[in-house]
Amino acid sequence: DGGITQSPKYLFRKEGQNVTLSCEQNLNHDAMYWYRQDPGQGLRLIYYSQIVNDFQKGDIAEGYSVSREKKESFPLTVTSAQKNPTAFYLCASWDRGPYGYTFGSGTRLTVV
Amino acid sequence: EDQVTQSPEALRLQEGESSSLNCSYTVSGLRGLFWYRQDPGKGPEFLFTLYSAGEEKEKERLKATLTKKESFLHITAPKPEDSATYLCAVQALGGGSQGNLIFGKGTKLSVKP
Repeated sequence: DGGITQSPKYLFRKEGQNVTLSCEQNLNHDAMYWYRQDPGQGLRLIYYSQIVNDFQKGDIAEGYSVSREKKESFPLTVTSAQKNPTAFYLCASWDRGPYGYTFGSGTRLTVV
Repeated sequence: EDQVTQSPEALRLQEGESSSLNCSYTVSGLRGLFWYRQDPGKGPEFLFTLYSAGEEKEKERLKATLTKKESFLHITAPKPEDSATYLCAVQALGGGSQGNLIFGKGTKLSVKP
């Protein structure tokens, strides 16, 4: 079945450490997105990519980095510059069709 | 600025008590409005897409309606399994927000037996 796979489901980061969240899709979608979700804040856009080898900053890109070397993959790195990284991270993809975004199951990142 | 506002933030219902969730939007032009359901610790799941004022979509106990300024998600005789956060999102015409969806903050629905 087609879908989006995020891994790991839970991730713990030490202070000053970079961590990478994986997002893979087999839907053949061009556009991919990373969102951060905090209680009461809704979904906030971190980065998005509408085509391979191209990506744009969203509303809260500081302290994060991405790459889009393959259509299927859009990994997110949370760098040490991100001072408050504890959150639920969602990856999504879209073919601009009538069903909107397809979301992954999320990664919960905790700073320890 | 394109914006989506959902109300109420939280809604508690008794099983069988029908109600509505509101999603109001301000965009330069609406290409589509999307409703999602999100269970705790999971990604949102697609429910409906609406494109033009007057349009309605139904699925089980849920019915979504659309006007020129807002959408309603009507829940008829809800059951505890309908408890979730419901998200609304819009896509603006003309490349607003680079064609990406603009999300509201969601309404957290709790249905007590």
